[in-house]
Amino acid sequence: SQWGEENLQALSIQEGEDVTMNCSYKTYTTVVQWYRQKSGKGPALIILIRSNEREKRSGRLRATLDTSSQSSSLSITGTLATDTAVYFCAIRSSGSWQLIFGSGTQLTVMP
Amino acid sequence: GGIITQTPKFLIGQEGQKLTLKCQQNFNHDTMYWYRQDSGKGLRLIYYSITENDLQKGDLSEGYDASREKKSSFSLTVTSAQKNEMAVFLCASSIAGLGPSGQLYFGEGSKLTVL
Repeated sequence: SQWGEENLQALSIQEGEDVTMNCSYKTYTTVVQWYRQKSGKGPALIILIRSNEREKRSGRLRATLDTSSQSSSLSITGTLATDTAVYFCAIRSSGSWQLIFGSGTQLTVMP
Repeated sequence: GGIITQTPKFLIGQEGQKLTLKCQQNFNHDTMYWYRQDSGKGLRLIYYSITENDLQKGDLSEGYDASREKKSSFSLTVTSAQKNEMAVFLCASSIAGLGPSGQLYFGEGSKLTVL
């Protein structure tokens, strides 16, 4: 629940580069959701990974999940300037209605 | 598809003033949420409502009230606005009962400025 109080991390890269963002969490979960928030908009789900998947791909996105280390990663290959956004991981612990968000990564992709 | 509409988009108030933010969704979702997003930080849960007539406090509920008027609408009141709570307030909704896979659909946010 303290997650969201941490500061955003910032990454700045050139268009075409690949990038990986990491997320560590402390509450047991079987699903990690990744959201993207573009400037002036609300977050939107971009990929969801379950514990029985280890890796999930969607277009240029790749998510991994390691429940033993309680960590997840989101990779974007061949980034575009339009990938510029804040990326959040989010988890919901078993039996809870609350979706808890990580502090997020501000990704800037320069053309 | 559906949409979540938050009003107003920008809200300016005086310190100590009571201010209300409104949220409407046409997804026909059971569950609605209010999050606060401070500049340069993540999202923190203020209140949520699992179904109509339900109200649950999140980690950041102190200083706020919420009201689920009907299934499609969820309001948040800042009971006494303070300068340190200038932030963007995000409303979201989801289908109930999907467990950890249930995704949230967000509005575009309401930005609060306190003078």
